[in-house]
Amino acid sequence: SQQGEEDPQALSIQEGENATMNCSYKTSINNLQWYRQNSGRGLVHLILIRSNEREKHSGRLRVTLDTSKKSSSLLITASRAADTASYFCATDQYGNKLVFGAGTILRVKS
Amino acid sequence: DTAVSQTPKYLVTQMGNDKSIKCEQNLGHDTMYWYKQDSKKFLKIMFSYNNKELIINETVPNRFSPKSPDKAHLNLHINSLELGDSAVYFCASSLRLAGGYEQFFGPGTRLTVL
Repeated sequence: SQQGEEDPQALSIQEGENATMNCSYKTSINNLQWYRQNSGRGLVHLILIRSNEREKHSGRLRVTLDTSKKSSSLLITASRAADTASYFCATDQYGNKLVFGAGTILRVKS
Repeated sequence: DTAVSQTPKYLVTQMGNDKSIKCEQNLGHDTMYWYKQDSKKFLKIMFSYNNKELIINETVPNRFSPKSPDKAHLNLHINSLELGDSAVYFCASSLRLAGGYEQFFGPGTRLTVL
């Protein structure tokens, strides 16, 4: 399967804690993107990291990419209840399309 | 001022019927997509169009026929609906073709086939 895999499948933390989600993939990529999906809504783009980048920040988000291990991680610092959502990684595998992972369900308890 | 809109939001229909889902984007993007998200939240691309031209058709049954009348619209017609077609269908758009651009998603259409 081309699809990436995220772990954990589900994560439950307290407000204020950090949340880390991981994504692994199988082929060479041009870039990797992270998306958030709130319940009953469409996906929203969070961040894009290119294959020649190792780390990227956006507000409370920090994304790393290790192309030698074919993996990426998304860290959300100081989580809030509003961060409760599903998070997906998506890889650009040079095929004019994105391949999405299975997603991590994050629940932030207040 | 919705960027990517879809209609209808919910669609409940009987097996064997034909139905359509409409999508419009007002972002001036060249490329539009249809995705299917199943009950386990797997999101899989079905089609992509660039400047009204079909680019990707991911081995989708030919009961599914996309139509792009112009760059801002991409509709999905489904013939002879089956139980397995029940899912959430998302339309999306990006500035250009290629995975290097962020995609903007519509709110989804939840299709239930009875």
